[in-house]
Amino acid sequence: ILNVEQSPQSLHVQEGDSTNFTCSFPSSNFYALHWYRWETAKSPEALFVMTLNGDEKKKGRISATLNTKEGYSYLYIKGSQPEDSATYLCAFFGDSWGKFQFGAGTQVVVTP
Amino acid sequence: DSGVTQTPKHLITATGQRVTLRCSPRSGDLSVYWYQQSLDQGLQFLIQYYNGEERAKGNILERFSAQQFPDLHSELNLSSLELGDSALYFCASSVGNSGSDEQFFGPGTRLTVL
Repeated sequence: ILNVEQSPQSLHVQEGDSTNFTCSFPSSNFYALHWYRWETAKSPEALFVMTLNGDEKKKGRISATLNTKEGYSYLYIKGSQPEDSATYLCAFFGDSWGKFQFGAGTQVVVTP
Repeated sequence: DSGVTQTPKHLITATGQRVTLRCSPRSGDLSVYWYQQSLDQGLQFLIQYYNGEERAKGNILERFSAQQFPDLHSELNLSSLELGDSALYFCASSVGNSGSDEQFFGPGTRLTVL
């Protein structure tokens, strides 16, 4: 079992505030890290696939950074909106398919 | 809409029974992945097929099996069902076979074992 952890488990954000949360993963045998957004009663939706140390990706108000040497990725939401309420999952891919695991997710609730 | 379809949407069955879940990938995608989401667990990777061949196995029980057909649709067979098999089963698809390929998830099949 790989050690893929997301923190915090949940967070509440006021509309308009910015927030960030973490995915930590093994720093050895890294191949790729995925971020997904999962809204209630829907299926996970891919946000980013990150493969290089120092990668920064952005989609609208959501961005992510990657540090493979220390084994963490941050997801940032700028100016949170109620529609950003969802569970955000990261998934770590190691250098073989046996090293593939999703984190438990960070549940984000944005209140107006 | 991701372009990945799964049937049925809901399935209710009894312990000891066998069920088949079906997945059709996005047009052009060669890989299909199966996942299980139980109440007390995160998303668990079960198995991956690429262009008809099994490529990777995760936490898939021996009672479960899958296959991918020449038209690239996939079926997940669950047999000797137990109460603990009740879960949401997702399939996802991607173009290639790499861990860096973006995966597109279907709407899921909710299995209830009574």
